[in-house]
This record gives sequence, structure tokens and C-alpha cells, in this order.
Amino acid sequence: DVKVTQSSRYLVKRTGEKVFLECVQDMDHENMFWYRQDPGLGLRLIYFSYDVKMKEKGDIPEGYSVSREKKERFSLILESASTNQTSMYLCASSFTQTSSYEQYFGPGTRLTVT
Amino acid sequence: DQQVKQNSPSLSVQEGRISILNCDYTNSMFDYFLWYKKYPAEGPTFLISISSIKDKNEDGRFTVFLNKSAKHLSLHIVPSQPGDSAVYFCAAKAWYGGSQGNLIFGKGTKLSVKP
Repeated sequence: DVKVTQSSRYLVKRTGEKVFLECVQDMDHENMFWYRQDPGLGLRLIYFSYDVKMKEKGDIPEGYSVSREKKERFSLILESASTNQTSMYLCASSFTQTSSYEQYFGPGTRLTVT
Repeated sequence: DQQVKQNSPSLSVQEGRISILNCDYTNSMFDYFLWYKKYPAEGPTFLISISSIKDKNEDGRFTVFLNKSAKHLSLHIVPSQPGDSAVYFCAAKAWYGGSQGNLIFGKGTKLSVKP
């Protein structure tokens, strides 16, 4: 079974803090993704990476950065957390060469910024 | 502009009946579609998919229909069970950047199946 794990299920941070969200996958997937999910807005792509040290902006990258130093690990960084970054953050991974294009998701991190 | 639209935020169905969840898309270049199911406080899980060369794909109680001319797909769940109560996301495969597997998601439809 594919496993995608995220470092925390729930996190509470203060405005202005630097926040690190970690994601690890165990299936040797090339692609990794960070989304946020908000009520009524669905899943919105923040950043993605298709190889180690590669990163590309998604639809809403402002206020975020990412790091991928190893193939299995993809980190999302909130440089200076703000209340509008309170959300559910979801990490996903997938193979590049696949006929199904399925992305496998982690359990999510519910981040609250106060 | 939304490229994948799920116009019904919620749907309520009686147990044992059919649930039909709808999804529209605008980009005729989309060639692969997926449905995901999400329970609260969990990550989405893959349910079923369909390639644009097909018009129907079945997996047990779940069937996805694709109407390319209308740019419309639907997920049918028969019979519906209380455990199917979740948010369902429609997604289309997109190509941008260097990735060969980006998905564009709709906003989701919350299905409630009442006993």
C-alpha cells in the first residue's frame, strides 16, 4: 500500500511564525504536491515538484515556499504565518509514468493561525 | 476561471437509491478524469477514473459516465449506503510545468446518504 504521511495532524501557530509542514511518501514517486482545502473552494494547488530539487508554482503560491532535498520528502514552508493561511493542508504524490494519473494523499494537517 | 465545475455543493439521497454527482469542464484538452472521495479530517482517496477514449467505466457500485461533446461527466452510486456520505471531488488531468500528472479539482459535492 502506498503511504503518504504528514508530520502533524493538527497545528496551532501564531501570526508571524515560520511554519514547516513535512510530507513523506514511501512509493518512490517522482511527483509531489501541496494543496490547501477550504470550504467552498475545493483543493487548490500551492506548489508541486516533479523531481528532487525541482519545484514549480501552483495556483496559489503566495506566502509559501517549498523544499525537496530528497525524493521521498517534500516540505511546505509558511515564511510568516498569517490568519488567512488557516486551512487544511494536503500533501500528495504520484508516478510520472502511469496510465492512471492517480495522486495519493496524506491525511492532512489542520493548521490554525491565531 | 474554473476549468472543472461541480455546481451542486450538496446532495441528499435515501439509502438504497441512486446518487448522481455531476461535473462539467471547459478545457477540451483534458483527456483523463478522476473522482475522489473525502471524509472529514482525512485525505482524499481515489475512487474511479475514466479516459476520454471511453464513455463509461464501472467499478462495483460506482460508475462514471463521460459525455465529451457536452464536456460533462457524472458519478453514479447504486445503491447508495450511509458510508458513502462524504465530499466527492471531480478532477481532470492537466499538463503544466514539468509535471505529467497535475490534476485540476472541482470544489466538491457533499453527499449525505440518509438511512
